[in-house]
Amino acid sequence: QVQLQESGPGLVQPSQTLSLSCTVSGGFVSSGNYYWSWIRRPAGKALEWIGRIFANGDTKYNPSLKSRVTISVDTSRNQFSLKMISVTATDTAMYYCARDLGPVINPDNWFEPWGQGILVTVSS
Amino acid sequence: QSVLTQPPSVSGAPGQKVTISCTGSSSNLGAGYGVHWYQVLPGTAPKLLIFDNTNRHSGVPDRFSGSRSGTSASLAITGLQADDEAEYYCQSYDSSLSGSHVFGTGTKVTVL
Repeated sequence: QVQLQESGPGLVQPSQTLSLSCTVSGGFVSSGNYYWSWIRRPAGKALEWIGRIFANGDTKYNPSLKSRVTISVDTSRNQFSLKMISVTATDTAMYYCARDLGPVINPDNWFEPWGQGILVTVSS
Repeated sequence: QSVLTQPPSVSGAPGQKVTISCTGSSSNLGAGYGVHWYQVLPGTAPKLLIFDNTNRHSGVPDRFSGSRSGTSASLAITGLQADDEAEYYCQSYDSSLSGSHVFGTGTKVTVL
């Protein structure tokens, strides 16, 4: 079965760039049947979808974060990654990677499975 | 930020039924997009419970059920158990602002 694992620094300084990777096991990011997403949950707040990527590099982002976010895919390492520039304390959150499940042509897919999450704190 | 509204909290005694609502608008639930539900236990990643409005994910007990009508959807939990105490989120798609997955505001279920 497909499993996802986030990795990256747990502490990022304000105004710097947050960089996370998600390694996929039990499946391939290049399969062409799924989108792969990043989602976050600030402490005490709701889940927030950040964006997604397809194997061919096609991306879609949350309009509220689009100006600061880039998602990329590395099929040779079976990974996809998140970069967020100019971070502030409000970007402190648990970050999850997840697979979009459902027909690829449908926009209203769901997320399954999820990685265990990685806590990223923005602080000097 | 959240365009799907849920009650902050609901509670019930063991064995009782609780219902969590998820209210959207014409650009998401009202447009016919599917609703999905997740359970978030403390310290763990979200777990898919219901997809496409009414379908239980593999391994999810039939005590959990989903429904929808117009711009609203609901998650019902019957035979409430202590380990159902968690946060629950609805999720859908919103076609405004070039389109985006959207989550609800989240509901904390407390087992009395």
